[in-house]
Amino acid sequence: EPEVTQTPSHQVTQMGQEVILRCVPISNHLYFYWYRQILGQKVEFLVSFYNNEISEKSEIFDDQFSVERPDGSNFTLKIRSTKLEDSAMYFCASSETRHSTTEAFFGQGTRLTVV
Amino acid sequence: QKEVEQDPGPLSVPEGAIVSLNCTYSNSAFQYFMWYRQYSRKGPELLMYTYSSGNKEDGRFTAQVDKSSKYISLFIRDSQPSDSATYLCAMSETGANNLFFGTGTRLTVIP
Repeated sequence: EPEVTQTPSHQVTQMGQEVILRCVPISNHLYFYWYRQILGQKVEFLVSFYNNEISEKSEIFDDQFSVERPDGSNFTLKIRSTKLEDSAMYFCASSETRHSTTEAFFGQGTRLTVV
Repeated sequence: QKEVEQDPGPLSVPEGAIVSLNCTYSNSAFQYFMWYRQYSRKGPELLMYTYSSGNKEDGRFTAQVDKSSKYISLFIRDSQPSDSATYLCAMSETGANNLFFGTGTRLTVIP
């Protein structure tokens, strides 16, 4: 069964460092998403991406964040200068379209710990 | 304000019990309602998907949406120990994009 794959599963980084979280969406999917879940809190939408550009983003997704699809398979989330409060589980998801008849498939997540 | 409220539990039930999980929301623009199951240290897995108001059944799972009350429910019949997980409600205006999640309810089904 096709699945969304995320690497690494756990990343520890020092405050102020840049991190790149990587995702391989399901191959025939066109829409890609990043969500995050701070420990004990809700899963929160960060950004959606279609046709090589951001289609929607939340207030959380400020200038410290960027997304890219560097090749035909990978989808990345970059945090430029990490803060302690960026520590969270980051989930990548993908869907065939953004509309009602399709579901968003989530990856296993990358646990980011900023120290 | 696009808030989704969900009782975090935890909820413990004996095997075979009927489980009722609920969420309320405040944004009347939400049209798409989902229930996800999340096992520890895993990503959310879609269980049920409903558009607008009404009921949807899939095996032991039934999802209900009451848009007039801004209230959604998930019922699990004949609960099994393998149903033990965190159940997340989620909703959106536009389908798969920009989902708003509840906090999740942790369910334990005791054999």
